[in-house]
Amino acid sequence: NAGVTQTPKFRVLKTGQSMTLLCAQDMNHEYMYWYRQDPGMGLRLIHYSVGEGTTAKGEVPDGYNVSRLKKQNFLLGLESAAPSQTSVYFCASRVGHHTDTQYFGPGTRLTVL
Amino acid sequence: GESVGLHLPTLSVQEGDNSIINCAYSNSASDYFIWYKQESGKGPQFIIDIRSNMDKRQGQRVTVLLNKTVKHLSLQIAATQPGDSAVYFCAETYITGANSKLTFGKGITLSVRP
Repeated sequence: NAGVTQTPKFRVLKTGQSMTLLCAQDMNHEYMYWYRQDPGMGLRLIHYSVGEGTTAKGEVPDGYNVSRLKKQNFLLGLESAAPSQTSVYFCASRVGHHTDTQYFGPGTRLTVL
Repeated sequence: GESVGLHLPTLSVQEGDNSIINCAYSNSASDYFIWYKQESGKGPQFIIDIRSNMDKRQGQRVTVLLNKTVKHLSLQIAATQPGDSAVYFCAETYITGANSKLTFGKGITLSVRP
């Protein structure tokens, strides 16, 4: 049972490039989340999903898109990367509506030059 | 707006001593609280949680205390070990169900002196 995994672990992009971050969980959790973590800002919610085929905006959704085509995967896309998107990105999953605990992946460190 | 914050940015303790990490929350409607531990280069790891109908909950070497009167949450770590060195976050939510979202504090660094 690997829990929540994220790929890639590190990535450097040039301004304007696009990329997709992959989050996978093998715990059959219904809900999944994408956060960014910046120094002094704590964790901020980008987008989340309450089930396969559904997504919703979080606190800081601009510049990102997400998809949840399969229950176990949650993809975060950057269509045109900007230096302001330099951050560490964390994915999390949650069993379902009856519990609030979220379990996190190891993170992806993204640098946009 | 509502926020969850921590009183101190860093805490240094002697190995073997007990650690107390404090957290203040401003939303009196919050009904669920979690403590996470984040080691360098890793994702947040669940430590312990507590619901608002409880004042205290104990885990292995950790205890969470909730004081709803003053909106204060604390994490106590007994016999602190070098492996406890990390950043600790409190998080809270006041919405249950599908749209439940956690609001995180900025984190406090615990440094354990040998």
